[in-house]
Amino acid sequence: DTGVSQNPRHKITKRGQNVTFRCDPISEHNRLYWYRQTLGQGPEFLTYFQNEAQLEKSRLLSDRFSAERPKGSFSTLEIQRTEQGDSAMYLCASSLDYVVAGPSPHEQFFGPGTRLTVL
Amino acid sequence: AQSVSQHNHHVILSEAASLELGCNYSYGGTVNLFWYVQYPGQHLQLLLKYFSGDPLVKGIKGFEAEFIKSKFSFNLRKPSVQWSDTAEYFCAVGTNTDKLTFGTGTRLQVFP
Repeated sequence: DTGVSQNPRHKITKRGQNVTFRCDPISEHNRLYWYRQTLGQGPEFLTYFQNEAQLEKSRLLSDRFSAERPKGSFSTLEIQRTEQGDSAMYLCASSLDYVVAGPSPHEQFFGPGTRLTVL
Repeated sequence: AQSVSQHNHHVILSEAASLELGCNYSYGGTVNLFWYVQYPGQHLQLLLKYFSGDPLVKGIKGFEAEFIKSKFSFNLRKPSVQWSDTAEYFCAVGTNTDKLTFGTGTRLQVFP
């Protein structure tokens, strides 16, 4: 399977614990996005990377959240001191960008998500 | 900042009925428009997209959407739905950074 993969698929944790999620994008994609989706809502943008550079962060991304993409390949999203309000599906997506594939905007391919439950 | 409204939260149809799902967006600049679908237990998949050119775009599985700039709309249509179209449908707007803003989604149930 050459699509976007995310691990783990499910995570249950207690309030106050730290959690880390991993996203492996499609190999030739240099853009990587993180979104969060809660019940009854569409995905909400959190942050995105172009190669290893984090170019934009949403105001939804509090100080407890940090994302990295150290070598421009896989990415991790860490949540420190989890709260019950962090319970959601965390989605990763990847795409090409204009540097690689020309000026037209490019489709984002989504992974299956990591469902986080904070007790 | 851009926003997306999907007015139909839950739609129930019988097979062979026609479908139209509404999507309106607000953004002052050039936008790219998408419809994504999420089948039960599966991840989001692109149904169709509009970047420029012909405002009537055709996607997979017989779906189409029409971009009406004057109405800030990008409604999704299918002339005859099938049971396998049961899914959640999301309209999304992208800007020059390709960051997507999604609507709240429409849950479609199709009964045989």
